[in-house]
Amino acid sequence: GIQVEQSPPDLILQEGANSTLRCNFSDSVNNLQWFHQNPWGQLINLFYIPSGTKQNGRLSATTVATERYSLLYISSSQTTDSGVYFCGGSQGNLIFGKGTKLSVKP
Amino acid sequence: KAGVTQTPRYLIKTRGQQVTLSCSPISGHRSVSWYQQTPGQGLQFLFEYFSETQRNKGNFPGRFSGRQFSNSRSEMNVSTLELGDSALYLCASSLGGSVLEAFFGQGTRLTVV
Repeated sequence: GIQVEQSPPDLILQEGANSTLRCNFSDSVNNLQWFHQNPWGQLINLFYIPSGTKQNGRLSATTVATERYSLLYISSSQTTDSGVYFCGGSQGNLIFGKGTKLSVKP
Repeated sequence: KAGVTQTPRYLIKTRGQQVTLSCSPISGHRSVSWYQQTPGQGLQFLFEYFSETQRNKGNFPGRFSGRQFSNSRSEMNVSTLELGDSALYLCASSLGGSVLEAFFGQGTRLTVV
């Protein structure tokens, strides 16, 4: 099955800094999503991005399907950005990476 | 438009008991998938139902089962609970077919004692 690798596993930032989270896939996927898990456990949709680039406020994502990776950019980070970020990809059902735990310090 | 609703939110059960969790998908969504999240194993796929039929199944023992009703609501059942079944159980819904974007509920946190 597909393997998903996320990096870095942990990231500590000062408020206002920018960051890039990466997701690598072992095989091609036709569904790729980024999520932010809130403190109560719910996965909040950030991007559905099988290919190309999307932006939503301070967040943007790019997927290069031919090279089997996706990047999530967070600019001008805020303390509310803290939490765990997951990418999931699939040829059917989502397979998740282990996540990146982001801590933004004031 | 209401999101994905999971009930109950929290549950405490004793080893050996069984449990049923419920998931109501977004209106119009026909696919419901279930995931287990534990600190050690991360997010793992349990199974997917589409139009009342199990379409895919993950690598979990037969104690884990599910079903989907005609209104797309889904239930998952875990029989003979073990301590290792303590986890956050997440349900996701999607339109199905060629539309794959998944939306998750708030989860059910199950503790087995």
